[in-house]
Amino acid sequence: DMKVTQMPRYLIKRMGENVLLECGQDMSHETMYWYRQDPGLGLQLIYISYDVDSNSEGDIPKGYRVSRKKREHFSLILDSAKTNQTSVYFCASSLPSTVYEQYFGPGTRLTVL
Amino acid sequence: GDSVTQTEGLVTLTKGLPVMLNCTYQTTYSPFLFWYVQHLNEAPKLLLKSSTDNKRTEHQGFYATLHKSSSSFHLQKSSVQLSDSALYFCASRGSALGRLHFGAGTQLIVIP
Repeated sequence: DMKVTQMPRYLIKRMGENVLLECGQDMSHETMYWYRQDPGLGLQLIYISYDVDSNSEGDIPKGYRVSRKKREHFSLILDSAKTNQTSVYFCASSLPSTVYEQYFGPGTRLTVL
Repeated sequence: GDSVTQTEGLVTLTKGLPVMLNCTYQTTYSPFLFWYVQHLNEAPKLLLKSSTDNKRTEHQGFYATLHKSSSSFHLQKSSVQLSDSALYFCASRGSALGRLHFGAGTQLIVIP
């Protein structure tokens, strides 16, 4: 059963603190993604990773960075979190042959106070 | 630029009625359209996809037809069920490999 995991599921941070969101997949998918979901805005792509150390900016990369040192893990880092980064963050992965069929994780609800 | 428009933010229907959720797109590439569904507190999941003009694609009772002439990929179902209550996203392939442009989503609420 294909699975994408995310940790933590819920997180509360204060403005200015650093945030680390982690994502794992057990399908050996090459491509992984980080999205954020806000009401009325749909899913916005933050970063896309085509493989280890091969990352590209999405539509809203400002304020975020990513790290992918192993194919199965993809991290999203917020250095000095801001209140407008309060959102639900989804990680996803896909196979090269069906790259637009993305498998999503359960999401992390981040609140920045 | 590439974009996807979903005109309805919220659709409320009585069980058993038909539904159509609108999706139109703008793209500079060959269209490849998707519908993702997200149930409450769950992850989005792929529901339908199509890149073939004027061919109906179906899954789990839902269906959609890509019409390149009108740049549309509306999602339909003939008889909605309570379990269909969810957030539905239309998405279009973007320029870069793996890129999807998502619409804002349509919340479907089915009432008894």
